[in-house]
Amino acid sequence: AQTVTQSQPEMSVQEAETVTLSCTYDTSESDYYLFWYKQPPSRQMILVIRQEAYKQQNATENRFSVNFQKAAKSFSLKISDSQLGDAAMYFCAYPTGTASKLTFGTGTRLQVTL
Amino acid sequence: GAVVSQHPSWVICKSGTSVKIECRSLDFQATTMFWYRQFPKQSLMLMATSNEGSKATYEQGVEKDKFLINHASLTLSTLTVTSAHPEDSSFYICSASRPGWNSPLHFGNGTRLTVT
Repeated sequence: AQTVTQSQPEMSVQEAETVTLSCTYDTSESDYYLFWYKQPPSRQMILVIRQEAYKQQNATENRFSVNFQKAAKSFSLKISDSQLGDAAMYFCAYPTGTASKLTFGTGTRLQVTL
Repeated sequence: GAVVSQHPSWVICKSGTSVKIECRSLDFQATTMFWYRQFPKQSLMLMATSNEGSKATYEQGVEKDKFLINHASLTLSTLTVTSAHPEDSSFYICSASRPGWNSPLHFGNGTRLTVT
C-alpha cells in the first residue's frame, strides 16, 4: 500500500523568511503526480502545487516550490518570503489507483510569526 | 470561484437520526466523486469513491450501511449518515475532478457534523 509520511507535525517561520516542509512517500509506480494542499482555519482544501514525476524540473508556483527527489521518494515544499496568510495545515498527497483518489500525509501545521 | 459545492456547511442532529450531505460539481460533470472524513487535528481519510450510476466503493473499515452514498446524476453525490451517533461527529469533505487524466482535485468546503 502506498504511504505518505510527513515527519514534522508543526513548524514555525518568521514572516518574510523561508521554510521547508518535508514529505516522503512510498510507491512502486514510475509515472505519477504529487500534490501539496493547504488547509487554513476555514478548512477549505486549497491546491498549492503539484509535481509530475516524469519531469525532472521542480515545480514552482510564485513563492512556493518543491524539491522533488524521485529516487529518494522525497517531495518537500519550500515557502519563500513567508506571509501571515501562509499559516495553515499543509498536506502532502499521493494519488492511489485513479489520479483523483488521494492519500494524504498526516499534515504539518505551519505557524508564521511576526 | 468554487467548482465543488457542499451543503450544509454544518449540521447538528440528535443521536439516532439520519443526516444527508450533498456534494455538487458546479460547472463540470463528475463521474467520480470522493468522500473524506477528518477528525480534529488529523488528516483526511478517504471513506469511499462515489461512482455515477453504480454502487460506491468503500474503503476498508467504512460501514457501507452506515454511510450511504448515492450518485444519481453526473453533478450530484450525496452522503447519508444513518442512525448517527456521537462518534460520527466529524468533518466530512467531498471532492471531484474535471474529466481528463490527472486533472486536479477540487474540494467542497466541508460539512461539520455534530451528533448530540
